[in-house]
Order: sequence, then structure tokens, then C-alpha cells
Amino acid sequence: AQKITQTQPGMFVQEKEAVTLDCTYDTSDPSYGLFWYKQPSSGEMIFLIYQGSYDQQNATEGRYSLNFQKARKSANLVISASQLGDSAMYFCAMREGSGSARQLTFGSGTQLTVLP
Amino acid sequence: DADVTQTPRNRITKTGKRIMLECSQTKGHDRMYWYRQDPGLGLRLIYYSFDVKDINKGEISDGYSVSRQAQAKFSLSLESAIPNQTALYFCATSGTDLPAGANVLTFGAGSRLTVL
Repeated sequence: AQKITQTQPGMFVQEKEAVTLDCTYDTSDPSYGLFWYKQPSSGEMIFLIYQGSYDQQNATEGRYSLNFQKARKSANLVISASQLGDSAMYFCAMREGSGSARQLTFGSGTQLTVLP
Repeated sequence: DADVTQTPRNRITKTGKRIMLECSQTKGHDRMYWYRQDPGLGLRLIYYSFDVKDINKGEISDGYSVSRQAQAKFSLSLESAIPNQTALYFCATSGTDLPAGANVLTFGAGSRLTVL
């Protein structure tokens, strides 16, 4: 079974509007971390936001927020006030277990296009 | 200079050739990783190392080998390249950066390898 599922291969959003990128995960470990990375067309991978499974509040970083719904095992990325520079591939990833020994598993990604 | 530097950035080679991709970092991180990215598959872990004397296989290690020459250097080798190893390869590092306990990966710019 897929550990990380991103069901939206491509998404379009109008500039200045908000957009939600979906991510669901599968784990039986009570301790885990969820990550979102951005990959622009230039190819580099940029860390955006992190949510720990025991964190009480949803993570936020500037225009990025993570809508963490533990019971539904979803960790959707919300980008507010989209900008043209937000056009990129976005990857959701999960680290199961505590400590650094556990590795990241990535989803297949969502290609976001921001329209002017 | 980038925190994580990969060389070469692009390489075209022929089936059966030996290829080495090199990675160096100035983050001072102990942990280093090699990932492979294929379209529609996200990133998959090839090998990882927690220190110079620690090397571990990832999800897709067959056909690859690695060497951790120093804390700052981690190289990936394809002993006999084959066309299905055509992909974008990323080196990454992690340490004790914030957020605490997250083990966030810092990626290099990627090495695009084409095997003919």
C-alpha cells in the first residue's frame, strides 16, 4: 500500500486565490512527521513546512499552512494568496517513528500552476 | 556557494559505463542521503549514511554503491549503467536544524543522468 498518496497530478489556481493540495498517509506508528517540499522548474527541492504527529496545532509558515486531520490521516497543504512564483511541483513526505533513523517516504507530487 | 553541491549537474553516458556522482556539503550535518526522482514516482531513497562508518541501503539500492569519504562527502556509483537508471539524482543532508526533531532534509540541486 502507498504510504503517501497525492491524488492530484495537476492543479490550477488563479493568482491571489488560495489553493489546497491534498495528501493522505498511511501508518500504524503513533509517532511520525509530515513534510511538504516545493520543486520549481529549476529542479531544486525546497522545504516548506513540517507537522509532527503530536503537535497540537496545525503548522504555519508564512503563506503556507498544513491542514492536519489526524483521524482522517490527511495533511493537506494550503497556500494562501497564490503568486506566480508558486507554480511548481509539490511533494508530501512522511517520516515514521521518532528520531532521525527513520527515512522519508515521498508522494508522487502535485504540479501546481498559478494563472495570472 | 550552495550548502549541498552535486557534481556533475548533467551527464550523458552509455550502457555499461561506470559513473560516479559526487556530493559535498558545508552544513556540518552527519547524515547524508542519495535519492532518485522519476516522473510520477516522487523521490525514492537509494542509500543513506549517518556517519563515515555507517552506510545503509534504501528502498532501491540494487545497481548502486556509495562511499562516504568524509563527513562532508558522499558519492554514488553506478558500476555498470543501464538505461532504466536514467533519472534525476539528489543528494541530501540532515542534522539538528529547526524545527527540532524534524530531521529536515537539505537537498542539492540534482544531477541529471541519461544512460543511452
